[in-house]
Amino acid sequence: AQKVTQAQTEISVVEKEDVTLDCVYETRDTTYYLFWYKQPPSGELVFLIRRNSFDEQNEISGRYSWNFQKSTSSFNFTITASQVVDSAVYFCALSDSNYQLIWGAGTKLIIKP
Amino acid sequence: DTAVSQTPKYLVTQMGNDKSIKCEQNLGHDTMYWYKQDSKKFLKIMFSYNNKELIINETVPNRFSPKSPDKAHLNLHINSLELGDSAVYFCASSQGLDRGLAGVVEETQYFGPGTRLLVL
Repeated sequence: AQKVTQAQTEISVVEKEDVTLDCVYETRDTTYYLFWYKQPPSGELVFLIRRNSFDEQNEISGRYSWNFQKSTSSFNFTITASQVVDSAVYFCALSDSNYQLIWGAGTKLIIKP
Repeated sequence: DTAVSQTPKYLVTQMGNDKSIKCEQNLGHDTMYWYKQDSKKFLKIMFSYNNKELIINETVPNRFSPKSPDKAHLNLHINSLELGDSAVYFCASSQGLDRGLAGVVEETQYFGPGTRLLVL
């Protein structure tokens, strides 16, 4: 069965520290997609990135970077030089073959000033 | 321009009432979804429509009924509201289903702002 595990329920760091949010997935599909979403305290769900299973290149977007490793079934998200505005719940999700996204439980990230 | 909009944003009502939440997307997407997010932030898919056709219908009480008058709208009607229905309901849309890859969801889902439902 497909599954997404975000083992870190909550992470708290001081501003400017780097932080990595872990995402481990299980799937039998050979083709799949992985996603990260951000849910700030205001409540909306904001799309951050989509990655397909054939592309293991790491992605960098400003202070955000993603490390996709099929060998370990992981798709980890790193924020460099964290800022208070990064405080949010972050969700990792996996596509399945039934037209659905399988969602992780989310990691609450607290950035302290 | 709001891509995916929901109304109302907040909904406070009494047990037993019937209420509706409306969703509209102006992205030209073919597929729309309803999710429920509980107090622990867990996201659960409820329904999905592709071009007005129901494609996902998870184990949801039949008090919940989605309606898609056209592919830009997906409304959620809830009958006989119960305390346990209190949650945040999100509407989402995506461009469509990736027919080339036989059902694997490729398209990114874009979410509305959510409707916070409180049943008293």
